[in-house]
Amino acid sequence: DVKVTQSSRYLVKRTGEKVFLECVQDMDHENMFWYRQDPGLGLRLIYFSYDVKMKEKGDIPEGYSVSREKKERFSLILESASTNQTSMYLCATSEGFNEKLFFGSGTQLSVL
Amino acid sequence: GEDVEQSLFLSVREGDSSVINCTYTDSSSTYLYWYKQEPGAGLQLLTYIFSNMDMKQDQRLTVLLNKKDKHLSLRIADTQTGDSAIYFCAEDSSNTGKLIFGQGTTLQVKP
Repeated sequence: DVKVTQSSRYLVKRTGEKVFLECVQDMDHENMFWYRQDPGLGLRLIYFSYDVKMKEKGDIPEGYSVSREKKERFSLILESASTNQTSMYLCATSEGFNEKLFFGSGTQLSVL
Repeated sequence: GEDVEQSLFLSVREGDSSVINCTYTDSSSTYLYWYKQEPGAGLQLLTYIFSNMDMKQDQRLTVLLNKKDKHLSLRIADTQTGDSAIYFCAEDSSNTGKLIFGQGTTLQVKP
């Protein structure tokens, strides 16, 4: 089974802090994704990566950056956290484009 | 651009059938997916259908696809309290190579 591990289940940070959300996968998948989930809005794509050191903006990249130094690890960075970034963050992987996604358990981030 | 629409809420009684509906816009999608999200968890792939099929059955789950109307539905027979969750439909986008998700339908199962 594909395993996608997000390092934190719950995270509380203060406005202005730099926040790192980590995601690790064990299936050698090429593609990795970061989504945020908000009630009534579904999933919105922040960034994705189709190879090591490669990244592409999704639909809502503002206020976020990403890092993929190794194939198995994809990090989401909030340079200066704001209250409107309070959300559930979901990492996902896939073998290729248009392939089914495998999700981590999510990180519920609260920015106070 | 591509869009996927779902109703936000459905309430059924235990033992009844549930039908969750979804409409999409990209007629060239190859696969359409249903994901389930239990409270406090990530999304789990429930089932999917290839776009040249019109029906797929998997135990209590039946997926119906009407390509002409771009309508997808998920029927859960004999709904149980453990089926209470948020259900997302998603299509693969031929333009962007990524999945487009609906807003999610919260299924409430009353005993």
